[in-house]
Amino acid sequence: EPEVTQTPSHQVTQMGQEVILRCVPISNHLYFYWYRQILGQKVEFLVSFYNNEISEKSEIFDDQFSVERPDGSNFTLKIRSTKLEDSAMYFCARNREGSPLHFGNGTRLTVT
Amino acid sequence: QKEVEQNSGPLSVPEGAIASLNCTYSDRGSQSFFWYRQYSGKSPELIMFIYSNGDKEDGRFTAQLNKASQYVSLLIRDSQPSDSATYLCAVIEGGNFNKFYFGSGTKLNVKP
Repeated sequence: EPEVTQTPSHQVTQMGQEVILRCVPISNHLYFYWYRQILGQKVEFLVSFYNNEISEKSEIFDDQFSVERPDGSNFTLKIRSTKLEDSAMYFCARNREGSPLHFGNGTRLTVT
Repeated sequence: QKEVEQNSGPLSVPEGAIASLNCTYSDRGSQSFFWYRQYSGKSPELIMFIYSNGDKEDGRFTAQLNKASQYVSLLIRDSQPSDSATYLCAVIEGGNFNKFYFGSGTKLNVKP
């Protein structure tokens, strides 16, 4: 049974459009994350979220990205104006302090 | 920039053999180390974690850690074709318990 569920599994969008990727943590863990993986490359940290606010973000996480936990259960990543280079797998993850990360099933984002 | 280095492979082993996967990391302050398995197009799945120097065994898997040499490895005994995947090494940044760095992964092929 997955511990986090991501929707959609695949999103195709045109360059310049906004996308929202969703994650539903099944249980109430403390830390939530977004990671991305461009095809054939490393899993890269984007942002971590704790107590309903950003605890850390990487240099990749620029002004076009934002995260929210709008209703206490969903955890979203918004990309305001997508670029071709945003095409990647996006993974939501969760953990407790220092414990292993557990990933969701991922969303494949294709920007055309 | 913290680095986690892995040989990209592919590493090919016959079924039933031992597969040995290696990882080095640059952050001397790192205390927590993880191995993930990733099938093509899927999310990373936790295989093992290790926090102390030495060996840790779990079924067919053994993780080995040498903090002095900044080296962590994963041994897979009695390799099966279903073990064919990319294996990712991950390290938590020293002093920052919720920031993970991933290696680019080693592709393992187990031939029947």
